[in-house]
Amino acid sequence: KAGVTQTPRYLIKTRGQQVTLSCSPISGHRSVSWYQQTPGQGLQFLFEYFSETQRNKGNFPGRFSGRQFSNSRSEMNVSTLELGDSALYLCASSVERRLDGYTFGSGTRLTVV
Amino acid sequence: AQTVTQSQPEMSVQEAETVTLSCTYDTSESDYYLFWYKQPPSRQMILVIRQEAYKQQNATENRFSVNFQKAAKSFSLKISDSQLGDAAMYFCAYSAGANSKLTFGKGITLSVRP
Repeated sequence: KAGVTQTPRYLIKTRGQQVTLSCSPISGHRSVSWYQQTPGQGLQFLFEYFSETQRNKGNFPGRFSGRQFSNSRSEMNVSTLELGDSALYLCASSVERRLDGYTFGSGTRLTVV
Repeated sequence: AQTVTQSQPEMSVQEAETVTLSCTYDTSESDYYLFWYKQPPSRQMILVIRQEAYKQQNATENRFSVNFQKAAKSFSLKISDSQLGDAAMYFCAYSAGANSKLTFGKGITLSVRP
């Protein structure tokens, strides 16, 4: 079956712009989580959506937001981009919390210039 | 707050040999899960093995096994018969309680010498 699909794979944006990243989970997976990966901070949890509801949020500023659609696809949005937002953004989906682990996509590499 | 510590930034192993990657964690929860993820240059995080805290038996997946010491809050990964394809970053992760997020360690870069 198809894995977790993240689009686009690479993105270059200018400081001050906004960006939207997309994640399509594995069919049947209702939980979608987003993580930011940087060399300095490592992997940090952004937020999790389950059945179109955000049920957990990490410690990121309000410029980071997300949503989930009825087909479980999720988008995250970052407004007013800063240089420090340059990172690999990973999406993970799961059937049930923790039990089967999480399946990750290949990520979107965002570069802010 | 839960923390996961991987103190070794890099390790190297000879092909066909065995290597152990260390991980410690800190939590006050009694019910939690621990994971090892592999991240090759393709960037995709791949689940290697998981362990439920309530299970005393150490998890095993083919060449991969863990040494789970609950009292010591230690969760090390042993890779037997190392292969060139095992070269990657390895992350230890934790998830617990009603909070389903993963807390990751900083990761360790494993290289495999032919």
